[in-house]
Amino acid sequence: DVKVTQSSRYLVKRTGEKVFLECVQDMDHENMFWYRQDPGLGLRLIYFSYDVKMKEKGDIPEGYSVSREKKERFSLILESASTNQTSMYLCASSLRTSGGDTQYFGPGTRLTVL
Amino acid sequence: RKEVEQDPGPFNVPEGATVAFNCTYSNSASQSFFWYRQDCRKEPKLLMSVYSSGNEDGRFTAQLNRASQYISLLIRDSKLSDSATYLCAVSPGGGADGLTFGKGTHLIIQP
Repeated sequence: DVKVTQSSRYLVKRTGEKVFLECVQDMDHENMFWYRQDPGLGLRLIYFSYDVKMKEKGDIPEGYSVSREKKERFSLILESASTNQTSMYLCASSLRTSGGDTQYFGPGTRLTVL
Repeated sequence: RKEVEQDPGPFNVPEGATVAFNCTYSNSASQSFFWYRQDCRKEPKLLMSVYSSGNEDGRFTAQLNRASQYISLLIRDSKLSDSATYLCAVSPGGGADGLTFGKGTHLIIQP
């Protein structure tokens, strides 16, 4: 079974803090993704990576950065957390195949910024 | 990024009934299509991929209509445990692009 883990299930931070969200997958997947999910807005793609040290912006990258130093690990960084970044953050990974890209999700981190 | 639209519901359906919902997508070049299920406060989990020829997995049937740019999900003999939010997801395919998700359809199976 694919396993995607995230470092925290719940996190509370203060405005202006630097926040690191960690994601690890154990299936040697090339692709990794960060989404946020908000009521009424659904899942939105923040950043993705298709290889070590590679990153691509998704739909809403502003206020975020990412790091992929190892294949199994993809970190999301909030340089200076703001209250509008309170959300559920979901990491996903997938194989890089030509037949499609089924993504498998981690359990999510519910971040509250005060 | 192009849109993916779903009726948010909720769909209130008696146990044992058949229920179907659709998802429309605007990017005609989309190549990969999926249905995910998400339980309250949990992560989305893949329910099934959607193939051009349609596919069936037990009580679940998924169809793709490229001409009209929609995918559908049919659930037969619905169970209480089918209550969840069903997300459709669309990808340009062939690589690493993230999925574009619909906002989900909330399904409630009533005893």
